[in-house]
Amino acid sequence: GAVVSQHPSRVICKSGTSVKIECRSLDFQATTMFWYRQFPKQSLMLMATSNEGSKATYEQGVEKDKFLINHASLTLSTLTVTSAHPEDSSFYICSATPGLGFYGYTFGSGTRLTVV
Amino acid sequence: AQTVTQSQPEMSVQEAETVTLSCTYDTSESDYYLFWYKQPPSRQMILVIRQEAYKQQNATENRFSVNFQKAAKSFSLKISDSQLGDAAMYFCAYSGGSNYKLTFGKGTLLTVNP
Repeated sequence: GAVVSQHPSRVICKSGTSVKIECRSLDFQATTMFWYRQFPKQSLMLMATSNEGSKATYEQGVEKDKFLINHASLTLSTLTVTSAHPEDSSFYICSATPGLGFYGYTFGSGTRLTVV
Repeated sequence: AQTVTQSQPEMSVQEAETVTLSCTYDTSESDYYLFWYKQPPSRQMILVIRQEAYKQQNATENRFSVNFQKAAKSFSLKISDSQLGDAAMYFCAYSGGSNYKLTFGKGTLLTVNP
């Protein structure tokens, strides 16, 4: 079945630094990828939608200058948390679809970001 | 805007018994898709079952089945012969329109008692 690889699984960074999270579709072309944030015991909150070769569409309230999303190829999307602060600590999950989302969404295994 | 409501924050079931998780949604779209996802402690999102709105027949996947009531905008998940491995957070999700976004409910934490 479809597989999405997300790295790193855990990262600890110092406040003020940037961290990049990668999301790769291993066996299909992901025309559309999504980035979510999940707080403990809560649901997934959509941060942005990225389509290959175009700018990401951010949800209301998500700072696009802090959460930079790049979707340069059909198999790779990256989320960069810039100038990270402790309040950015969270669980980040990506998902991908080949373009027709109705055929399903495959999720990465998530990244636990801790900013110290 | 589409919304998904899961009114049961927590549910419990005895092993081998049956449990039903509730989900309602609100949409003005006529064509859409509904999903149930399972998130175990590993936090990996796993697709349990999906339903196309244009299909009247309820989807089934082994021990998992749905009761899809389009007019009532209800999409419940039934788990039969519950197993210890079914213990997880279950999210109901909706996708419709042209942007393929998934809208999630708040989740139901399912506990399976031996």
